[in-house]
Amino acid sequence: NAGVTQTPKFRVLKTGQSMTLLCAQDMNHEYMYWYRQDPGMGLRLIHYSVGEGTTAKGEVPDGYNVSRLKKQNFLLGLESAAPSQTSVYFCASSSRGANTGELFFGEGSRLTVL
Amino acid sequence: EDQVTQSPEALRLQEGESSSLNCSYTVSGLRGLFWYRQDPGKGPEFLFTLYSAGEEKEKERLKATLTKKESFLHITAPKPEDSATYLCAVHLGGGADGLTFGKGTHLIIQP
Repeated sequence: NAGVTQTPKFRVLKTGQSMTLLCAQDMNHEYMYWYRQDPGMGLRLIHYSVGEGTTAKGEVPDGYNVSRLKKQNFLLGLESAAPSQTSVYFCASSSRGANTGELFFGEGSRLTVL
Repeated sequence: EDQVTQSPEALRLQEGESSSLNCSYTVSGLRGLFWYRQDPGKGPEFLFTLYSAGEEKEKERLKATLTKKESFLHITAPKPEDSATYLCAVHLGGGADGLTFGKGTHLIIQP
């Protein structure tokens, strides 16, 4: 049972390039989330999804897009990367939503934008 | 303005030396306060959910408590393997799903 898997684990981009981070979960969870974690800032919610085909904005959505075409996958896209998007990105999933507080996190994707 | 504030930022203890970590929150209509543990290079791992003032949860050497303004994570007789960053979070509220996290307390337990 893999849980939440993020790919790639590491990526270096140049300013203006685009890329997609993939999150896959095998727990049949309805809810999925993308967070970013920066030194001194804590985890901040970018976008989330409450079910297949749905997406919603979190605290810091600007510069990112997401899609949830399949229940098990949640994609995070950067259309034109900026140095301010250098961060560690975490995907999480939950069976009943954030009300329970029990989110299962992946191991993170470290992105550097030069 | 931060909704969740954790203190101290870092704490170094000797093995067996008990202590407490603090999480204060300013949200109204709390819909749950949550504790996570994060090891270096890993994603956060869920520990506890607390919903009501006076509620307590325990797991091994950890005990979490909740008042109307803050939560404490008590660590009794810690071991080196308890070294990690401990994160506190509350529900976003306002019709949105998701958690808002504090910046964490980096705990080091020296043998």
